[in-house]
Amino acid sequence: NAGVTQTPKFRVLKTGQSMTLLCAQDMNHEYMYWYRQDPGMGLRLIHYSVGEGTTAKGEVPDGYNVSRLKKQNFLLGLESAAPSQTSVYFCATRRNTGELFFGEGSRLTVL
Amino acid sequence: ILNVEQSPQSLHVQEGDSTNFTCSFPSSNFYALHWYRWETAKSPEALFVMTLNGDEKKKGRISATLNTKEGYSYLYIKGSQPEDSATYLCAFLGDTDKLIFGTGTRLQVFP
Repeated sequence: NAGVTQTPKFRVLKTGQSMTLLCAQDMNHEYMYWYRQDPGMGLRLIHYSVGEGTTAKGEVPDGYNVSRLKKQNFLLGLESAAPSQTSVYFCATRRNTGELFFGEGSRLTVL
Repeated sequence: ILNVEQSPQSLHVQEGDSTNFTCSFPSSNFYALHWYRWETAKSPEALFVMTLNGDEKKKGRISATLNTKEGYSYLYIKGSQPEDSATYLCAFLGDTDKLIFGTGTRLQVFP
């Protein structure tokens, strides 16, 4: 089935550990986005990409890195996790008609 | 910093009531305004993408209007049903490819 797949769906980390979230899409969309969702804060843009090999900062980029080596994959990395990065992370692609198509989310807890 | 604001923060209505919410956004460098519906434990789903001042979009009982000159959009739900209960998000797309979300309006419809 076509769509946006995020892995892992759940992860618990200790402070200082590193991890990578993978977003994979099979819709050949150019634009991809990483958001975090926190209570009362809505969706906040972390980083985004307008095509293979490109990345750009969003509203809350600090503490995160991203890479888009292949068009279908957008990776979000946490080099040294902090409790403030406990959140639900959503990846999305942007269709040619403009609207975003979201993955199911990845719940990350940093102890 | 782009400011996208939604009001009210939450809304409780009876089945059959009509309701509306507001999204305000920057009136400069406008490219598009999105509306999404977000049910609990699911991912946001696109309702409308609006690009022209004066745009009106409709999908079933839900409709939206757009005023880019004054920087606001309204979402209307006619004859609310319990299945309309969700958080409704708007998002502003300017000329930077960043899609910035408001914090949402949480709607609960009671039978």
